[in-house]
Amino acid sequence: GAGVSQSPRYKVAKRGQDVALRCDPISGHVSLFWYQQALGQGPEFLTYFQNEAQLDKSGLPSDRFFAERPEGSVSTLKIQRTQQEDSAVYLCASSLGGTSYNEQFFGPGTRLTVL
Amino acid sequence: SQKIEQNSEALNIQEGKTATLTCNYTNYSPAYLQWYRQDPGRGPVFLLLIRENEKEKRKERLKVTFDTTLKQSLFHITASQPADSATYLCAPGRPSGQLVFGTGTRLLVSP
Repeated sequence: GAGVSQSPRYKVAKRGQDVALRCDPISGHVSLFWYQQALGQGPEFLTYFQNEAQLDKSGLPSDRFFAERPEGSVSTLKIQRTQQEDSAVYLCASSLGGTSYNEQFFGPGTRLTVL
Repeated sequence: SQKIEQNSEALNIQEGKTATLTCNYTNYSPAYLQWYRQDPGRGPVFLLLIRENEKEKRKERLKVTFDTTLKQSLFHITASQPADSATYLCAPGRPSGQLVFGTGTRLLVSP
């Protein structure tokens, strides 16, 4: 039915707070990606799941960032002890297959502002 | 590290003309390249994928070329319309499925 959904759409956090961002991919999609997009920039890769397995987390900027997809469907990106530089739009994308040639379907993003 | 370069300045064209956007990449050889459209406040939307063994691909008013020697892709929109105004993102792919996005080029089509 629906496309990729993300919640919340907007999140304001005080510096030092922990936040959790949720992604509901398209049903049946094997692959799930998280990206970070700063204002005026393109999305930057954070991490990638194939089903429940996190195959690549090379883009996570620090150990304050953690992502999971425990049942191979919904995914959560958690940021601990948020810093001002974490302010950005966090995009989630899913794709049908596990190969590299599949188009990615993006959610609307969560805009995180850290004060 | 991989570097993707797209026109950083906005491209302004008149309705009906052909818009041409450029994507240059360095330091790696992607097997494929995807183009996405992004509107303000929304996530990117997939437009076209072209593989390294394809020189050109078309879809309706869109045409993409992929020159692996020049390490460049060109994205054309023919008979452009104001509704084509958006940011267009180039994304060469890695075998792992990870896309490396450029900064995007903002296209403005005036009536």
